[in-house]
Amino acid sequence: AQKVTQAQTEISVVEKEDVTLDCVYETRDTTYYLFWYKQPPSGELVFLIRRNSFDEQNEISGRYSWNFQKSTSSFNFTITASQVVDSAVYFCALSEAPGNQFYFGTGTSLTVIP
Amino acid sequence: ETGVTQSPTHLIKTRGQQVTLRCSSQSGHNTVSWYQQALGQGPQFIFQYYREEENGRGNFPPRFSGLQFPNYSSELNVNALELDDSALYLCASSTQQGSGYEQYFGPGTRLTVT
Repeated sequence: AQKVTQAQTEISVVEKEDVTLDCVYETRDTTYYLFWYKQPPSGELVFLIRRNSFDEQNEISGRYSWNFQKSTSSFNFTITASQVVDSAVYFCALSEAPGNQFYFGTGTSLTVIP
Repeated sequence: ETGVTQSPTHLIKTRGQQVTLRCSSQSGHNTVSWYQQALGQGPQFIFQYYREEENGRGNFPPRFSGLQFPNYSSELNVNALELDDSALYLCASSTQQGSGYEQYFGPGTRLTVT
């Protein structure tokens, strides 16, 4: 069965601190796709990154970085030097085939305090 | 912005009524997926439409139905509304071609059933 676990329900950090959001997934497929989305208070899910199961390279995009480890079935997301605009709910999601349904975690609510 | 639009933004209905939600997909996308997001939860997959045919369904009863039109826009219909149907309904568009594995979400329709 497919499952995505985001154990951190809520996190608060002071501006400029680094923060890591954890994501652990379960799947029986050898090929799968992992995603992170940001949901600001407006409600729209904003795509951040996709990682394919066969590509374990970590990725950095500005202040954002992602650490994919198949050995521990984790796909963690780090925000460096957090800013107030980073305050949102972040979702990790799993898809087992291109275009197929996404399985979302329950989300981590991040609050960055100025 | 993703180019995915949804209408209406908010809706209040009474238990037992029927509702229709609408979604226009991003230009060039031929697949629409619908998700239900209850308060404090991650989005749950309802179903997906590809080229006007249902292409996968989550664990939702038959009173949740949908349509996709030749221009790839889509409708979600819910009959015999129940209080638990109160949620944010998200539409996501994607393409089944190339590397279009990401789903791009609209702003959602917030449905309240009283």
